[in-house]
Amino acid sequence: EIVLTQSPGTLSLSPGDRAALSCRASQSVISSYLVWYQQKPGQAPRLLIYGASTRATGIPDRFSGSVSGTDFTLTISRLESEDFAVYYCQHYGSSSGITFGQGTRLDIK
Amino acid sequence: QVQLQESGPGLVKPSETLSLTCTVSGGSVSSGNYYWSWIRQPPGKGLEWIGYIYFSGTTNYNPSLKSRVTISVDTSKNQFSLNLSSVTAADTAVYYCARAINWGSRAMNVWGQGTTVTVSS
Repeated sequence: EIVLTQSPGTLSLSPGDRAALSCRASQSVISSYLVWYQQKPGQAPRLLIYGASTRATGIPDRFSGSVSGTDFTLTISRLESEDFAVYYCQHYGSSSGITFGQGTRLDIK
Repeated sequence: QVQLQESGPGLVKPSETLSLTCTVSGGSVSSGNYYWSWIRQPPGKGLEWIGYIYFSGTTNYNPSLKSRVTISVDTSKNQFSLNLSSVTAADTAVYYCARAINWGSRAMNVWGQGTTVTVSS
C-alpha cells in the first residue's frame, strides 16, 4: 500500500511569498500518476496539477509541480490571497487504487 | 460544461445502507474517456477515495471499504450511484462525486458540490 505523507501540516506565509508544499510517497511510484488539488472551506476540491507537473485547464502559471524520486513538490511562486487553502496530493496505483495525502493547510501569516 | 450533482438522504441510521446518486449534466456517463468516482471527507479531516465505475460497469473500490461498497451506473438516466452498507458513525462525512480521467493518474477534473451524510439514530 502506498502512503503519501504531506509536509508541513500547516504553512503560514504572506501574500507575495513563495510556497513549497511537499508530498512524499512511501515507495517508488509512477511519477506521472501524481496529482495536486486545492480545497477551500465549504467547497469541493479543485484539480491543479496532474501528471506531477502539468497544470489543469485554467490554473495560473504561478502553480507548478515537480518531482525528485519519491518526493513531489507543489510550488506557488507568488502567493495571492485566493491561494490560502488546503492542498492535497493524490496518487493512483494499480493495486491500491487512488490514495490521498493528509493535506497541507496554507494559512495567511 | 459538465456538472455533477449529488442527491440522497442526509441522515442514515447505524447499520443501515447509505445510498447516494450523482446526476451528470452537460456530458454523458457513457463517455469512454472517464471513470465516475465517489470520494468522502469526514468533518475536519482529509479526502478518502471510495471507488469508481466505468460506463461498462467495471468497478474499482478502495480495499478498506470494498466489502461494504457497491457503485452502479444507469446510462439511461445519466446517473451513477453509491451504496455503502452497515454504516456507523465513522461513515459520517461529506460525500462527493467526481469525474476522473480514464488513464494515468485518474485525476478528478470535475466535482460535485458534495452532500453531507450523518449517521445517527
